[in-house]
Amino acid sequence: AQTVTQSQPEMSVQEAETVTLSCTYDTSENNYYLFWYKQPPSRQMILVIRQEAYKQQNATENRFSVNFQKAAKSFSLKISDSQLGDTAMYFCAFMKLKYGNKLVFGAGTILRVKS
Amino acid sequence: EAGVAQSPRYKIIEKRQSVAFWCNPISGHATLYWYQQILGQGPKLLIQFQNNGVVDDSQLPKDRFSAERLKGVDSTLKIQPAKLEDSAVYLCASSLDRALAGGLGNEQFFGPGTRLTVL
Repeated sequence: AQTVTQSQPEMSVQEAETVTLSCTYDTSENNYYLFWYKQPPSRQMILVIRQEAYKQQNATENRFSVNFQKAAKSFSLKISDSQLGDTAMYFCAFMKLKYGNKLVFGAGTILRVKS
Repeated sequence: EAGVAQSPRYKIIEKRQSVAFWCNPISGHATLYWYQQILGQGPKLLIQFQNNGVVDDSQLPKDRFSAERLKGVDSTLKIQPAKLEDSAVYLCASSLDRALAGGLGNEQFFGPGTRLTVL
């Protein structure tokens, strides 16, 4: 079974600074997807960024980028120029392709952006 | 395009009572998921439908939980009887088609959730 571990329960960052959220996972699969989801206090889960395991190039979406280390099974999220609206719970999630598209989530990291 | 709709947003019941949640996925999305999110934890899949058929219900407590997706569109999740440990947020998500792995088809869109409190 796949497991996803987020070792930072809470993080804080000053507005306009950069923060990195950590995620490690365990799997024997070779083909899979990794995701970062954002869940603001209103609870609507929103996809932030996605990484295909077969791609060596790290995914980027505007201020969000990942550091994907397949051999180390590490998938960290970097948020640059942090904004107050980035305050939320962030979940790292794994999806294997072999038997369907179930997401396996980590426990989440609460990120607080301070002004 | 309209997002995933869920109702009610909040529900408070006493243990041993019954409760039902409703989800309407994004139009055209073939796959529907119900996740349970206990406070302080990440969401956990309860059941996954492909159209009106069940793909995965391995983590659904079938002695008390049931779900259906008649006509392959909206879905209901029922708990009968509820226990204290069922207090959680129940999230519904949908995706275009689980067969479209490798493309946009596997992106899941989430509803706002239903917060259940069992007293």
